[in-house]
Amino acid sequence: DADVTQTPRNRITKTGKRIMLECSQTKGHDRMYWYRQDPGLGLRLIYYSFDVKDINKGEISDGYSVSRQAQAKFSLSLESAIPNQTALYFCATKGTGSNQPQHFGDGTRLSIL
Amino acid sequence: QKEVEQDPGPLSVPEGAIVSLNCTYSNSAFQYFMWYRQYSRKGPELLMYTYSSGNKEDGRFTAQVDKSSKYISLFIRDSQPSDSATYLCAMPKTSYDKVIFGPGTSLSVIP
Repeated sequence: DADVTQTPRNRITKTGKRIMLECSQTKGHDRMYWYRQDPGLGLRLIYYSFDVKDINKGEISDGYSVSRQAQAKFSLSLESAIPNQTALYFCATKGTGSNQPQHFGDGTRLSIL
Repeated sequence: QKEVEQDPGPLSVPEGAIVSLNCTYSNSAFQYFMWYRQYSRKGPELLMYTYSSGNKEDGRFTAQVDKSSKYISLFIRDSQPSDSATYLCAMPKTSYDKVIFGPGTSLSVIP
């Protein structure tokens, strides 16, 4: 089984709908992240969490919200989806320590019509 | 100016070629430098991790850092079709728990 699991893998929805993307991990890491990936722009940080009670905005948090339900679960919500939120979304985890890499899930491809 | 820049490619090379992938950055405070590899429909995975200037070798892969020029490179020797992927350079920001990613270079190795 994958260490970082994202659901769903693909989602097509309409403008104005509320959408939740879920991420769960079995790595035991405290740090969890949500990114979006767009062609030519790379990975951009939406939100990050260092533990269940510590949630922080990233560089592009407008239009998104998150919930850290447990150490192992971190969900991303789009309250009212708009077409420019069409992108590939990745969840990542990281252990403590400056030289620890981030571990990514396989992404959710989200299309908003 | 973006903090990290990469030529997006696509780059297409024959099998066995030496590949050079490059990134430039603007923040002289970056100390650690990473290369991630991302296969189609997969998440990025860490390929190499280097600290400060110099070279680091791991099998067919060599990471090179030139801090004076704010320039990093990834060399792939004897490239294989399985190396076909997007390669992203990445640099942790001050807290190390946040990372700035380049946009990635798409590489195709043709058999």
